[in-house]
Formats: sequence, structure tokens, C-alpha cells
Amino acid sequence: SQKIEQNSEALNIQEGKTATLTCNYTNYSPAYLQWYRQDPGRGPVFLLLIRENEKEKRKERLKVTFDTTLKQSLFHITASQPADSATYLCALAYSGGGADGLTFGKGTHLIIQP
Amino acid sequence: DVKVTQSSRYLVKRTGEKVFLECVQDMDHENMFWYRQDPGLGLRLIYFSYDVKMKEKGDIPEGYSVSREKKERFSLILESASTNQTSMYLCASSPGLAGTYEQYFGPGTRLTVT
Repeated sequence: SQKIEQNSEALNIQEGKTATLTCNYTNYSPAYLQWYRQDPGRGPVFLLLIRENEKEKRKERLKVTFDTTLKQSLFHITASQPADSATYLCALAYSGGGADGLTFGKGTHLIIQP
Repeated sequence: DVKVTQSSRYLVKRTGEKVFLECVQDMDHENMFWYRQDPGLGLRLIYFSYDVKMKEKGDIPEGYSVSREKKERFSLILESASTNQTSMYLCASSPGLAGTYEQYFGPGTRLTVT
């Protein structure tokens, strides 16, 4: 069956370091991959979208990679700050999208310690 | 800024009651979605709609129905609330196909069924 795996354990990173979060998937051939941030008690907020033919995407301190051979996406936050502490969700969509094409991972809780 | 609003942040209902959760978006988006989010299970799609009066089942539609009479409004209905429907309910909208466009989420409704 199709599966999306994100670190279920919380990730503790010291302020100023680079935080790297992993999203692995099996039995999927996604055409698009998205990352969201979710704060406690709030809805997810979109961060970045990357297509299968793109290796890397950047936005300010954020960088996403998408390796369709390894079936993995890495999400990096450089120069991390305590305000980056949140749960980060990856989401996959099939080729052609479709309204039903987005499936979410369970998220990784990131804690940036001052 | 896109705004997605949900009718209640917190709701407490009794078993067997009919429950209506309302969602409104102000950006003329075609697609709207209802998810529920539970600890350890992540975001799961209940229903989605890609046009007025159109609806499609998601991964867990049992016990729920939806209504989309106007483009900006998408309602989730629990026909007869049960305790296993206690959850955080999140509405989202998207301007196009789910994979190729980001989803904008509302703040969520935390529903408790007693």
C-alpha cells in the first residue's frame, strides 16, 4: 500500500544550525510534493511546492529537494530560529493532480532550542 | 490574502446529534476540502468538491456528508454524531488541481462528541 513516512520523533536542533527534515514515500509516483508548517491548534500553512522534474527549490531560508530515485524529499531550514519550532508536513500528489491527489504525511515536530 | 474561515473553533455535541460544520473561503477557489486530524493518524481527507454541487468521497467518508450550494461555502455534516468522530476538523481551499496548487487551510474546529 502507499505510504508516506516522516520522522515521528521530535527533532531538536540548536538555534543557528540547519534543520533537515525527511519525507520518504513508497508505492507512489508523485508528480508534486508540498511542504506545510502547522502550529499547535492551527491549520497547516503552505511553504513550498516542488515538481518531479525539479531537483531543488528555495525560498528565503528554506530549501526542498526531491529525489524520485530515492523516493525522498529533504526539507532544510538554515540559520534556524526558535520561531521555526512547529510541526512540518509533507504532502504528495500524483501526476495530473486532481482534486483528490494530495496525501499528507503525519508530520515531524521540530524544536529549535535557543 | 486568502482567507478560509470555519464557523466554530470549539464545539461540543452529544452522541446522535446532527452536526453542521461550515467553511467559507473568500478567494473564488474552485476546490474545497474537508479533513480530520487525529494524533498519530495525521490529516485524512473526508470529502472534497471541485465545483458547486459537485462532491467526491475522500479516504474516510463514512458517517459524513457534505453540501456545496455556493462556490464560497462548503459544509460538512455529521448525520448522527458518534464519539469516534471527536477530532480536529480542517477545511481547505485551492485555486486548482490539488497537486499543482497549494491548499489554504482554515483555523480548524475542535469537535468533542460526548
